[in-house]
Amino acid sequence: EIVLTQSPATLSLSPGERATLSCRASQSVNNYLAWYQQKPGQVPRLLIYDASNRATGIPARFSGSGSGTDFALTISSLEPEDFAVYYCQFRSSWPPALTFGGGTKVEIK
Amino acid sequence: EVQVVESGGGLVQPGGSLRLSCAASGFTFSSHWMSWVRQAPGRGLEWVANIKQDGGETCYVDSVKGRFTISRDNAKNSLYLQMNSLRAEDTAVYYCGRNMIRAYSDAIDTWGQGTMVTVSS
Repeated sequence: EIVLTQSPATLSLSPGERATLSCRASQSVNNYLAWYQQKPGQVPRLLIYDASNRATGIPARFSGSGSGTDFALTISSLEPEDFAVYYCQFRSSWPPALTFGGGTKVEIK
Repeated sequence: EVQVVESGGGLVQPGGSLRLSCAASGFTFSSHWMSWVRQAPGRGLEWVANIKQDGGETCYVDSVKGRFTISRDNAKNSLYLQMNSLRAEDTAVYYCGRNMIRAYSDAIDTWGQGTMVTVSS
């Protein structure tokens, strides 16, 4: 069973700063990795799929990188609306189960 | 507009059953894998189950195997989750989600608003 570990658990930053969130897999997941944003009381929103592809309507300040076991979500310059919890997710080859990481909370410093 | 709308949540006693439904619209339902994802109060996201386009393949998280059944009716553009032998730890908001086509990650690009399931005596 592949486990996704996100770090840090909490990231305290100011608007305008750069945020780098990490997602590490216990075994290679190729590029079968996605990132989501969830604000309090809201539904999750897909940001990135297949490690580095932005989903429809996602601003260019969000970027994904990595392959194999180490992945990153970077927010180049934090906007007030970016303070939220971020989850990574991968899909195993077979059976096609999905797994979510534990999440990283990006909070205002 | 692409959307999915869940229904069927509520309060149920431990050991009881509940059937969740998800109505899809605005897209070709039969072209997509579909998923159920849940989120316990104050906790992270947990994938529960998914189902292939024709319903011929299903997959479950270990904690619900043998208790939950995912199904779909493509003629009705609907997804279902039959939940039996419910436990307190099944208490969560349950989301219906559409899996992307042609994405290796099977990312969920459309989420419903969720339906709350509370298991308590």
